[in-house]
Amino acid sequence: DAKTTQPNSMESNEEEPVHLPCNHSTISGTDYIHWYRQLPSQGPEYVIHGLTSNVNNRMASLAIAEDRKSSTLILHRATLRDAAVYYCIRRGETSGSRLTFGEGTQLTVNP
Amino acid sequence: KAGVTQTPRYLIKTRGQQVTLSCSPISGHRSVSWYQQTPGQGLQFLFEYFSETQRNKGNFPGRFSGRQFSNSRSEMNVSTLELGDSALYLCASSWGTGSYEQYFGPGTRLTVT
Repeated sequence: DAKTTQPNSMESNEEEPVHLPCNHSTISGTDYIHWYRQLPSQGPEYVIHGLTSNVNNRMASLAIAEDRKSSTLILHRATLRDAAVYYCIRRGETSGSRLTFGEGTQLTVNP
Repeated sequence: KAGVTQTPRYLIKTRGQQVTLSCSPISGHRSVSWYQQTPGQGLQFLFEYFSETQRNKGNFPGRFSGRQFSNSRSEMNVSTLELGDSALYLCASSWGTGSYEQYFGPGTRLTVT
């Protein structure tokens, strides 16, 4: 299975930026990095994805290291609603629609 | 645009029974995937359907099966239920099979007694 490593938990204060790291040291050249999050009592929610260059959308930014062995999801101003489990997922050419979830990072946002 | 809908939302069954869960994808989406979520094993991929064909399958016993209809709606079936099948079953849809973003439904909470 495509493996990523994330910290079990992180904590942030409301309205401060949050940097969620992910290690994927065995990534292949065609693997995409996807981020999903799961709020309490809900299904997972797509956040962002990228291949090589940094990506931005209305929810977050994704910074991918030059060697692609790691990436960082950036929430520019955390809100209480951002408290969730964040999953970093590698998706390869043969994955199809399959998402291989790890344990993710539990983000706590303090008011 | 309506999101992914799953029915029923909650279900209680007895060991040995069978159960069918339903998923309606977002309009226009042709790929439907199913996942099982438990506290011990986390989120695990069951199978994916695209254009009424199973395209990918996870590591689950044959008691778990699924199908997809011509309107892209999907059902999954679990036969001979075991206590360990108690879980949240999530359905996700996407435009196609491949590296597209997945949209998840709220899930069906199955309890086996």
